[in-house]
Order: sequence, then structure tokens, then C-alpha cells
Amino acid sequence: EVQLVQSGAEVKKPGESLKISCQGSGYNFPNYWIGWVRQMPGKGLEWMGIIYPGDSDTRYSPSFQGQVTISADMSIGTAYLQWSSLKASDTAMYYCARSKGQRLVDYWGQGTLVTVSS
Amino acid sequence: DVVMTQSPLSLPVTLGQPASISCRSSQSLEYSDGDTYLNWFQQRPGQSPRRLIYKVSNRDSGVPDRFSGSGSGTDFTLKISRVEAEDVGVYYCMQGTHWPQTFGQGTKVEIK
Repeated sequence: EVQLVQSGAEVKKPGESLKISCQGSGYNFPNYWIGWVRQMPGKGLEWMGIIYPGDSDTRYSPSFQGQVTISADMSIGTAYLQWSSLKASDTAMYYCARSKGQRLVDYWGQGTLVTVSS
Repeated sequence: DVVMTQSPLSLPVTLGQPASISCRSSQSLEYSDGDTYLNWFQQRPGQSPRRLIYKVSNRDSGVPDRFSGSGSGTDFTLKISRVEAEDVGVYYCMQGTHWPQTFGQGTKVEIK
């Protein structure tokens, strides 16, 4: 059974750094892309970027380029999304999602709620 | 970015009645490999999105056959033949043909 298990909710202050994770199981992790999606409170879904764990090839949506860093460690089947300096506007639910090729998202993680507040 | 426009944004439906959601893209979604990467996702309240339909009309395993997808080019439709209580939630179309992938605004389906 394919599963994507994300790390737990985080509460941070503006300016702090953060790294959240997404661990895949039940499939060959290096061979599928992992994407990240933002959902701000009460809003829709926004595609942030995607990584191929097999060679760490990474692409960012222009809206998120330079704002976050996506990485992966295929030895432990885990992808990451990180911020170096959080802003209140980063408060959102973040989902990871598996993708066959770059075009066919299928399975989603349960989401990680990030709250940034002073 | 390719703009995905859904309508309606809110859809009150009577149990047992059909429902239809439209999704239009600002560019053709037919890719050079001949496939059209238009997917539909359901997000029930408090849950992660779940894929229902991939490449326009292919239903995912475990998805009830009351859900169907159709369309081509820039115009796509998700239909629910008879709405059940468990269908309440927000439905999103998503294109994977052009980078970056983009979602529609979402259509909230509720029971009248």
C-alpha cells in the first residue's frame, strides 16, 4: 500500500527556520517524483515544486522559487520542504504528493499544518 | 501559468440528483505524447485531496462509478450521476501538461 506520512504540526515565530518531511513507503521511492502543495486557510491548492529523489532533480513554481527549498534523501525514503526565514504569510497546510513523471499526481500525504505567529 | 477556471464555485445538490462541474484551461492540455493531463481531486472536509479521475476520463481504483470525467483540449467536465452524502466536499481540477502544474479554484459541493 502506497503511503506518504508527513511530519507533525509546527508553530513557529516569524524569522525562524523550518524543515518538514514526507516519508514514502509501499513503492520504489527513488523512481517517483514528490511534489509539495500549499493550502492557505480556507483557500485552494497551489503547486510549489517537485523533486525526483533518484537524482534530486528539482523544479520550482515561479511563485515559490527562492522562497522555499525542496530536497530528498532517497536512502531513507523522505522528501523535505524547508524555509530559512518564515513569515506570517507562510501559515498554511502543506501537502506532499507523489507523481508518476512530472504530470500525474496520485497519492497525497495527510498534510502538515504550519502556523507562523509572533 | 495556465489558468484553470472552474464553475460553478458553489454547487448545492439534492441527494440522488446529478451534479456537473466545468473546468476550462487557458491553453490546450494535450501534451506532445498524445495524452491530456487533466485530473480531478476530491477534498472532503478536514481531509487530504484524493484523486478521482486522471487523464480526463480514467477513474481511479475504488472510485464509485457514479463519478465520470470527459472533455478535450480546454474544456472538461466532472459529473456525479447521483449525489450521495459522502460526496460533500471541494472538487478541484488540476492540469499537469504545462509547468507549473495548476489547480482550479475549487467547487464546493453541498447537500441542499
